[in-house]
Amino acid sequence: GNSVTQMEGPVTLSEEAFLTINCTYTATGYPSLFWYVQYPGEGLQLLLKATKADDKGSNKGFEATYRKETTSFHLEKGSVQVSDSAVYFCALSGNFGNEKLTFGTGTRLTIIP
Amino acid sequence: EAGVAQSPRYKIIEKRQSVAFWCNPISGHATLYWYQQILGQGPKLLIQFQNNGVVDDSQLPKDRFSAERLKGVDSTLKIQPAKLEDSAVYLCASSLVGGRNTGELFFGEGSRLTVL
Repeated sequence: GNSVTQMEGPVTLSEEAFLTINCTYTATGYPSLFWYVQYPGEGLQLLLKATKADDKGSNKGFEATYRKETTSFHLEKGSVQVSDSAVYFCALSGNFGNEKLTFGTGTRLTIIP
Repeated sequence: EAGVAQSPRYKIIEKRQSVAFWCNPISGHATLYWYQQILGQGPKLLIQFQNNGVVDDSQLPKDRFSAERLKGVDSTLKIQPAKLEDSAVYLCASSLVGGRNTGELFFGEGSRLTVL
């Protein structure tokens, strides 16, 4: 079945540091890949997505590239801010119109001023 | 546009009691999901509805959990009787039908259940 393996946290960085959160997946066919974010006290929300190999998703300064050869979708940001403190979830959805999401375990990110 | 509404936000019960959670999806979203998120873990799909019909309930513990979606809109998730291990946040999400791999689910804020 489909699965997502995500970098374990928690991760603590100083403001303006470079961020990478690793994510690898196992899936058949051609899944779509997502990063969801959960800010304190809020619901999960979509951060970015990529639907085919070599696509790059981007939003709010975050980027992730769909690498089929390494089955990876690592999240990066060049300069993090305190407001980026949240829990980040990597996820994939099945193909052929099946939108069910399979999530990783989440990575808690804390940015200190 | 109103988001996914869930209630109650918090519930504390004793084991063997019952509890029900309610979800109202975004207007026009035909697909509705219930996820269970245990502390420190990623959300796990319990059940997926397409309109009134169940698409996937393979991970729903059917001996104690039940869910329904009447008229293809609101949904209720019930646990009876509850166990300690049911302590979790229950997330409702909805999505539009159609489009291969659109994958964007819209989540509610969740209902946090504590079983004592």
